[in-house]
Amino acid sequence: AQRVTQPEKLLSVFKGAPVELKCNYSYSGSPELFWYVQYSRQRLQLLLRHISRESIKGFTADLNKGETSFHLKKPFAQEEDSAMYYCALRPYSGNTPLVFGKGTRLSVIA
Amino acid sequence: NAGVTQTPKFQVLKTGQSMTLQCAQDMNHNSMYWYRQDPGMGLRLIYYSASEGTTDKGEVPNGYNVSRLNKREFSLRLESAAPSQTSVYFCASSEWTGINSPLHFGNGTRLTVT
Repeated sequence: AQRVTQPEKLLSVFKGAPVELKCNYSYSGSPELFWYVQYSRQRLQLLLRHISRESIKGFTADLNKGETSFHLKKPFAQEEDSAMYYCALRPYSGNTPLVFGKGTRLSVIA
Repeated sequence: NAGVTQTPKFQVLKTGQSMTLQCAQDMNHNSMYWYRQDPGMGLRLIYYSASEGTTDKGEVPNGYNVSRLNKREFSLRLESAAPSQTSVYFCASSEWTGINSPLHFGNGTRLTVT
């Protein structure tokens, strides 16, 4: 069975510092990976997905199949980045729902 | 285009009471989902409906039932609420359950069972 691990429940960084939210997964096949974000008092929304190889709000994430990781990175954190971040996985084969990690709360300190 | 709409936003129940959480989407999506969000537990799938007319159990289905009323609507029912079901419930939809089909979430329902 597939599993997503986000080892940090809470991550605090200073404004302007680099930030990396870790995500590791266990799945024997090829996964599709996502990062979702939930800002205060807002609904969960898609931040980015590895298939698109995009940068959203300055965030990037690279799929490392060797390390089975999909860490989310931003070179300079902003206060508005403070939110709950969830990593999620879906196997490429078959029609199965997303499996989410437990989430990491990012707090950017001014 | 409202996306995914959930009702109610808040609800307080007494142990043993029943209630139905409503969810509707206007994006013509085939697949719909119910998740619960608990501190330290992340998002856990309760039930999902890959397409109209089908429903499947997720990770934590016990104590819940679902109905895919039509393509737009997917309801979650608690027949006899328990304090362990105190949580925030999110409905979501996607074009289908396969690849390249991200989830779109509702605003959530905060349920407290006393």
